[in-house]
Amino acid sequence: RKEVEQDPGPFNVPEGATVAFNCTYSNSASQSFFWYRQDCRKEPKLLMSVYSSGNEDGRFTAQLNRASQYISLLIRDSKLSDSATYLCVVIKAAGNKLTFGGGTRVLVKP
Amino acid sequence: DTGVSQNPRHKITKRGQNVTFRCDPISEHNRLYWYRQTLGQGPEFLTYFQNEAQLEKSRLLSDRFSAERPKGSFSTLEIQRTEQGDSAMYLCASRKLSGQGDTEAFFGQGTRLTVV
Repeated sequence: RKEVEQDPGPFNVPEGATVAFNCTYSNSASQSFFWYRQDCRKEPKLLMSVYSSGNEDGRFTAQLNRASQYISLLIRDSKLSDSATYLCVVIKAAGNKLTFGGGTRVLVKP
Repeated sequence: DTGVSQNPRHKITKRGQNVTFRCDPISEHNRLYWYRQTLGQGPEFLTYFQNEAQLEKSRLLSDRFSAERPKGSFSTLEIQRTEQGDSAMYLCASRKLSGQGDTEAFFGQGTRLTVV
């Protein structure tokens, strides 16, 4: 079993709709969680950190469920520019390596 | 530009040749990471450094791969006797380890290796 797993998609989303997807992790001791965004043939860039209490940044909402060992990302009012691959990142202990999921591809269509 | 810089951006090499990539991290960042990414997959961890010390190396990394960070600043990744399966994007990332939890890791634009 992979340490971090994601549904590869693609999620085909009408512009203006809401899309949500999860990422599961296997190590219950994992401490830090992030969502990164990666555009085609570009480097990953931080979208948002995921806090225990959940957090929101504009149209993006991230949640952490430690009991079930998953994090989620919800995108409201999808824009064409939201089309990208969203990478889940888990860190086991502070400063350690980032472990990536395989990514979830989102395609927002007019 | 004060971001993470990687050179070269593209490298085409013949099977069996050696290649070396360079990564210049953000100047105050003490942690430096190397990842490999193939099409449709997430970045796969290779190794990372705290200053000049190599702290962890993936078991997936064969003995043909070696990485250094001699003065705790830039890093090099060398692949000896390249194979076609080494074709991938090689990503470098850096971040500053602080006592306030995990900080953002910044990635370079990567080096795309094609082994023919």
